[in-house]
Amino acid sequence: AQKVTQAQTEISVVEKEDVTLDCVYETRDTTYYLFWYKQPPSGELVFLIRRNSFDEQNEISGRYSWNFQKSTSSFNFTITASQVVDSAVYFCALSESSGSARQLTFGSGTQLTVLP
Amino acid sequence: DTGVSQDPRHKITKRGQNVTFRCDPISEHNRLYWYRQTLGQGPEFLTYFQNEAQLEKSRLLSDRFSAERPKGSFSTLEIQRTEQGDSAMYLCASSNIPSGGILGEQYFGPGTRLTVT
Repeated sequence: AQKVTQAQTEISVVEKEDVTLDCVYETRDTTYYLFWYKQPPSGELVFLIRRNSFDEQNEISGRYSWNFQKSTSSFNFTITASQVVDSAVYFCALSESSGSARQLTFGSGTQLTVLP
Repeated sequence: DTGVSQDPRHKITKRGQNVTFRCDPISEHNRLYWYRQTLGQGPEFLTYFQNEAQLEKSRLLSDRFSAERPKGSFSTLEIQRTEQGDSAMYLCASSNIPSGGILGEQYFGPGTRLTVT
């Protein structure tokens, strides 16, 4: 069965600091997808990134970067030069290729607070 | 272009009452999902539709819960005889599987927050 662990419940940083959010996953599938979503105080989940299990290239999008390492089953998310608007709950999620639903299995989230 | 919408945004009901929520997915999306999110937790999968067919249900979906997607467009989630443990945010998401079968990302609505008193 799939599982996603986000060990960091809360992180607090000062604006302009870099911060890394950890995500460790478990799956028996060889083909799967990993996601990060942001949930700001308004509550709506915002899609950030999707990676498939065959693509281990790290990705950078502006101040965001993702480090996918199959060897350690981790998919970590780094925000560079954090801003107050980055304050939100961040969820890592996994979708396996087996089964028709392809539903997302979420971690419990990391509450990020960026202080001015 | 509109995203996923849900109605109502908030619902307060007394224990034992029935409630119904509506979700309107992104128009070209053929897949629709319902999730439930309790405080401090990530969303948990409840059920999934491909077009009008309900293809999978989680064990979380007790027999008091029923979902429909009658014409493959909007969906409703009904909870009968609500209990205090049903208090949660109910999230709807939609996605598309284009030809080639590559998984599309799920886009979420704002959710319906249910409080059972």
